[in-house]
Amino acid sequence: AQSVTQPDIHITVSEGASLELRCNYSYGATPYLFWYVQSPGQGLQLLLKYFSGDTLVQGIKGFEAEFKRSQSSFNLRKPSVHWSDAAEYFCAVGPGGNEKLTFGTGTRLTIIP
Amino acid sequence: GAVVSQHPSWVICKSGTSVKIECRSLDFQATTMFWYRQFPKQSLMLMATSNEGSKATYEQGVEKDKFLINHASLTLSTLTVTSAHPEDSSFYICSASPSASSYEQYFGPGTRLTVT
Repeated sequence: AQSVTQPDIHITVSEGASLELRCNYSYGATPYLFWYVQSPGQGLQLLLKYFSGDTLVQGIKGFEAEFKRSQSSFNLRKPSVHWSDAAEYFCAVGPGGNEKLTFGTGTRLTIIP
Repeated sequence: GAVVSQHPSWVICKSGTSVKIECRSLDFQATTMFWYRQFPKQSLMLMATSNEGSKATYEQGVEKDKFLINHASLTLSTLTVTSAHPEDSSFYICSASPSASSYEQYFGPGTRLTVT
């Protein structure tokens, strides 16, 4: 069965500092990996996705993520966070296509001045 | 492109009544739609998968008679919470997939249901 682990429930980062959110997955085949962001009371916005090819993927809002098969990880990074990045971040894995996604428990990001 | 809407965005209903939530794909045809439930400060839990014109596939532990899902067209899926109780209060999010080869799901903004 597929699963996603986000070890950090809550992270606090100073504005302008770098950010890394961890995601580890368990999947029997080549995974399709996603990072979503959710602002309070809102739906999910796709930040980036990995299907194949270059293991470093670029997304919106200056985010990037690196797929490391040997570590079963897909960590999200941003070199310099902005106050508007404060939100909940979810990592998800799935088989692709119109098949269901499995979500991690999320990491809440707080930005301090 | 790839916009999914939900209606209503929030609803309050009395215990014992039923409430219907709509999920629409506005600029694409969705062969598959998914319904998720999210409790405060928790992750999304898949409730069911619906394919246009066929019965929904419910996840284990989800009461199909309580959460009725209909996917009558390629742009509309509805979730009806029947005989709602306070414990059904939650944030319900739908997503839609254009096709088996699309590799992505597009999420709606969610519906906040409060049962009093």
